[in-house]
Amino acid sequence: EPEVTQTPSHQVTQMGQEVILRCVPISNHLYFYWYRQILGQKVEFLVSFYNNEISEKSEIFDDQFSVERPDGSNFTLKIRSTKLEDSAMYFCASSENSNQPQHFGDGTRLSIL
Amino acid sequence: AQSVAQPEDQVNVAEGNPLTVKCTYSVSGNPYLFWYVQYPNRGLQFLLKYITGDNLVKGSYGFEAEFNKSQTSFHLKKPSALVSDSALYFCAVRDWNAGNNRKLIWGLGTSLAVNP
Repeated sequence: EPEVTQTPSHQVTQMGQEVILRCVPISNHLYFYWYRQILGQKVEFLVSFYNNEISEKSEIFDDQFSVERPDGSNFTLKIRSTKLEDSAMYFCASSENSNQPQHFGDGTRLSIL
Repeated sequence: AQSVAQPEDQVNVAEGNPLTVKCTYSVSGNPYLFWYVQYPNRGLQFLLKYITGDNLVKGSYGFEAEFNKSQTSFHLKKPSALVSDSALYFCAVRDWNAGNNRKLIWGLGTSLAVNP
C-alpha cells in the first residue's frame, strides 16, 4: 500500500538555525498538509497546499515557516530561524482530494537545542 | 468554532471484551468525522470516516463508529478487543461547509490499553 514518507525521522538543530523537513506524499494525491504535535498536546494544523499554492494556514504558520513542492514528488516544510518552542513532532499528510482521508507519514521529531 | 472532545485520557479493557472510545464534536455546519490510531513512534493511521450515509461506519481492524447527530458524538467501538489494539486513538473533525477549509481539528487522544 502506498505510504507517505518523511525524512529525517529525527532532526536536532541549534536554536536560530534553519531546518528543512522533507516529505514524499502518495503519488496520485493532490492535497498536502503539515501538522505538528508538541509532546503531550493536541495535533495542530499548520498548512494545506494544493495546486502549487497554500490553500489555508493556521496562526502558528507565521513568516518563519514556508512550504514548497520543488519537484513532482517532494513537499518540504522550512523553518527559517528555529526557536525552542518549535520542538515537536511534525507530520506530513496527503489526500487524493479534499473529501478523502488524509494519509500521514511517521513524522519527523524536531529537537531544538 | 470547531472543536473535538475526547473525554477519557485512558480506557482500559480486558482482551475479548467490547471497547468504546468516546468522541464529541462541535462544528457550525455538517461534519466530516475521522478516527485515527497512533502506535508508538509511528504516524497517524486512518481507521474510518463518516461523511454522509449510514450512521454506523465500519473501518479497519474490525473497528466501527456510530455517528449520532443529536448527541454530536462519534464513538469508536469494537466488539472484541485485542491486545494489539493498545495504542493512542484520535478523533478528528472537518466542517464540510467551510469551503476551502480542509484542515482537521483534533481531539487530545485517548490511550487504549487492552489487558490480556
